Amino acid sequence: TQLLEQSPQFLSIQEGENLTVYCNSSSVFSSLQWYRQEPGEGPVLLVTVVTGGEVKKLKRLTFQFGDARKDSSLHITAAQTGDTGLYLCAGAGRDTGNQFYFGTGTSLTVIP
Amino acid sequence: GAGVSQSPSNKVTEKGKDVELRCDPISGHTALYWYRQSLGQGLEFLIYFQGNSAPDKSGLPSDRFSAERTGGSVSTLTIQRTQQEDSAVYLCASSFSVASGTDTQYFGPGTRLTVL
Repeated sequence: TQLLEQSPQFLSIQEGENLTVYCNSSSVFSSLQWYRQEPGEGPVLLVTVVTGGEVKKLKRLTFQFGDARKDSSLHITAAQTGDTGLYLCAGAGRDTGNQFYFGTGTSLTVIP
Repeated sequence: GAGVSQSPSNKVTEKGKDVELRCDPISGHTALYWYRQSLGQGLEFLIYFQGNSAPDKSGLPSDRFSAERTGGSVSTLTIQRTQQEDSAVYLCASSFSVASGTDTQYFGPGTRLTVL
């Protein structure tokens, strides 16, 4: 049983398009993180959100933490080929014993 | 040492053999995690160490898996009597602290294990 479900699992889009990736759970998290992983490498942290309803922006990436702190989304505006990779959400908190539980992952391919 | 290092980068073994995977965390990081990742999938938590506390082994899939962390630094993940379903990338991460749930985990490049 996965604590965090991500959708879609696979996404292939043209350069310049917008996209949204979702991370959903029935558990409440005190914090949620988003990572990006490229082939042959470990994941790299993009952002941490800790407050319900919080929105963080990193250039073309917008992250939102749900009001109930059970879900999150990642929106990319005007995707670039460099955005290609596996996007992972990870939640930690009371229900997880402060361990990080990772989502199922979304594999994004941006086509030039 | 800049980041987290893992060795070997690739390991091919025969079913039934034992393997040891090594992780060198970032100096000064008190927390160390092991995860397993199947091709293109999310990460499966295995075990974490925090300072001198007893490790949380709740993610280990069977008693064939064990891990040690010596001197609060280097960690070794051992898989005994390997099975084909153990084939995966094993990732190690370290962070300054695990207590807050907001610390950044820094990942190594992983060890790709193939059990024939």
